[in-house]
Amino acid sequence: KQEVTQIPAALSVPEGENLVLNCSFTDSAIYNLQWFRQDPGKGLTSLLLIQSSQREQTSGRLNASLDKSSGRSTLYIAASQPGDSATYLCAVRRADKLIFGTGTRLQVFP
Amino acid sequence: DAGITQSPRHKVTETGTPVTLRCHQTENHRYMYWYRQDPGHGLRLIHYSYGVKDTDKGEVSDGYSVSRSKTEDFLLTLESATSSQTSVYFCAISEVPSGNYEQYFGPGTRLTVT
Repeated sequence: KQEVTQIPAALSVPEGENLVLNCSFTDSAIYNLQWFRQDPGKGLTSLLLIQSSQREQTSGRLNASLDKSSGRSTLYIAASQPGDSATYLCAVRRADKLIFGTGTRLQVFP
Repeated sequence: DAGITQSPRHKVTETGTPVTLRCHQTENHRYMYWYRQDPGHGLRLIHYSYGVKDTDKGEVSDGYSVSRSKTEDFLLTLESATSSQTSVYFCAISEVPSGNYEQYFGPGTRLTVT
């Protein structure tokens, strides 16, 4: 059974820091991996999707990497801002389904 | 933002009553999903649909049923609500262009069963 783990569960940093959020999964037979952002009381917003054949994807200050063989993905946030405060979720796709981690709750303070 | 709406957005109901949640999309995507989100469990798949009248179970399907009579609508029904079904319910959609399979989520429905 595929299990997805995110560490740390919560993170509080001052504005301007570069951050790394971690996602690990137990079964490397995935089609892709998706990173989401969730603001309190809101739905999920897709940030980045990495296909299983790719090593990384970038969007603005965000960079996501994927190492299938070791079952790991990282989300790198450069020059963090208070507006980045949210919960970040990773999810791996197997067949028709996504399997989610429990998220990292990020707070960036001024 | 993907055109996904959920109704109602909030609902309080009593144990034993039937409840139906609606997801509506304007993207004409083939796949639709229902998830529940609970503290400590993350998002868990309840049911999903891969076309009109084509549905399948997720990992937490007991106590739930779904129907999809039109591409744009996916209904989730709790036949007899229980307190353990108090949760936030999210609908999601995806298409499969070149295997990209990115999922887009609705705003959620907060359900409280008393």
